[in-house]
Amino acid sequence: QQQVKQSPQSLIVQKGGISIINCAYENTAFDYFPWYQQFPGKGPALLIAIRPDVSEKKEGRFTISFNKSAKQFSLHIMDSQPGDSATYFCAAREFTQGGSEKLVFGKGTKLTVNP
Amino acid sequence: GAVVSQHPSRVICKSGTSVKIECRSLDFQATTMFWYRQFPKKSLMLMATSNEGSKATYEQGVEKDKFLINHASLTLSTLTVTSAHPEDSSFYICSARVARPTWDYGYTFGSGTRLTVV
Repeated sequence: QQQVKQSPQSLIVQKGGISIINCAYENTAFDYFPWYQQFPGKGPALLIAIRPDVSEKKEGRFTISFNKSAKQFSLHIMDSQPGDSATYFCAAREFTQGGSEKLVFGKGTKLTVNP
Repeated sequence: GAVVSQHPSRVICKSGTSVKIECRSLDFQATTMFWYRQFPKKSLMLMATSNEGSKATYEQGVEKDKFLINHASLTLSTLTVTSAHPEDSSFYICSARVARPTWDYGYTFGSGTRLTVV
């Protein structure tokens, strides 16, 4: 069962355009929602994260919109640049019954920004 | 801040040998570290979680005798792939949880290790 559903699988945007990636979840116990950027052969790098009591967070060209009632959150990349071409993962944190924590990842979105 | 250094970045080993991957938190104390495996064009799959000074907790389906995890200090965790086989070839990534997390640096990832077993 996929706990965090991410779409689209791939996305092509023109330079200067807006890239939008969506994620949906079912577990209302998730309490932290980060987005990661990963380049080929590298580890994921945190882009931006949000708590469920906040509806929107903006950092530079990156914005997370969070809809708690719909259990959805999205990443918006404004003025997309070719250097933004990478794979993006949404994630959500849960605490297990044993008290440990873990991030649950979406399947990823490969973003290509054409010059 | 919150940098995680992972070594080696690439390793090729012969089938049947063991390989150790190191993950170090350089400028913070990592009470909890996570080890992931990532197949080509796929998402990250959590293998195990380790807390400093205690045994690692493995996810279902992960062989703990094959993937040995040691978290001996607040700055170092190691993953040893024992008796490696070609099917163990993959991209392995560690992540560290900052001891006093902020929302910006809650979980920091290493740069990954590409393991190829021949």
